[in-house]
Amino acid sequence: NAGVMQNPRHLVRRRGQEARLRCSPMKGHSHVYWYRQLPEEGLKFMVYLQKENIIDESGMPKERFSAEFPKEGPSILRIQQVVRGDSAAYFCASSRTSGRADYEQYFGPGTRLTVT
Amino acid sequence: DQQVKQNSPSLSVQEGRISILNCDYTNSMFDYFLWYKKYPAEGPTFLISISSIKDKNEDGRFTVFLNKSAKHLSLHIVPSQPGDSAVYFCAALNNNDMRFGAGTRLTVKP
Repeated sequence: NAGVMQNPRHLVRRRGQEARLRCSPMKGHSHVYWYRQLPEEGLKFMVYLQKENIIDESGMPKERFSAEFPKEGPSILRIQQVVRGDSAAYFCASSRTSGRADYEQYFGPGTRLTVT
Repeated sequence: DQQVKQNSPSLSVQEGRISILNCDYTNSMFDYFLWYKKYPAEGPTFLISISSIKDKNEDGRFTVFLNKSAKHLSLHIVPSQPGDSAVYFCAALNNNDMRFGAGTRLTVKP
């Protein structure tokens, strides 16, 4: 009964490179949320996806960032041409539905991205 | 725009005493509130929640109080235990939009 899985746990990229963060939701969950935690700040919503659909990307920077949740496979958060300000912990959460009770669900352990 | 604020970055209490963590919000559209607990190198885990139609929810040692008129909620832990030492995030929900506070680091001293 695996929880939400994220990989890699740590990712180091040089400025200008691409970062790909993966999230496998809990079994049976079809809703995925990505959050970013900058140093000394709380978790900030980025994007909400269902299978093959982006439901809400209001928290996602307009450039360089994209997310997908294909029919098969994990959800991917992609950051192109990374800059030092992208260094943060990126958390993924999953839920079975978008109902209130399902916000009481699990987060993954996070991916810590460091841009050098 | 920080719609959810936790103004105390840290709190230290003695084992057995009460821990009170506070959270303020500005958006009156939030109708569901949650507390998450986070240990180092782990993702947040859900702790307790409260709907805006209630003013109190209790689960064991944890109680969340909501004051809608003041747009304020608090988490009470009593008695506090060393294992409660973690970062606590409050979160507020409006439809699919969940906003988190910056967190309060609780240290419970034995």
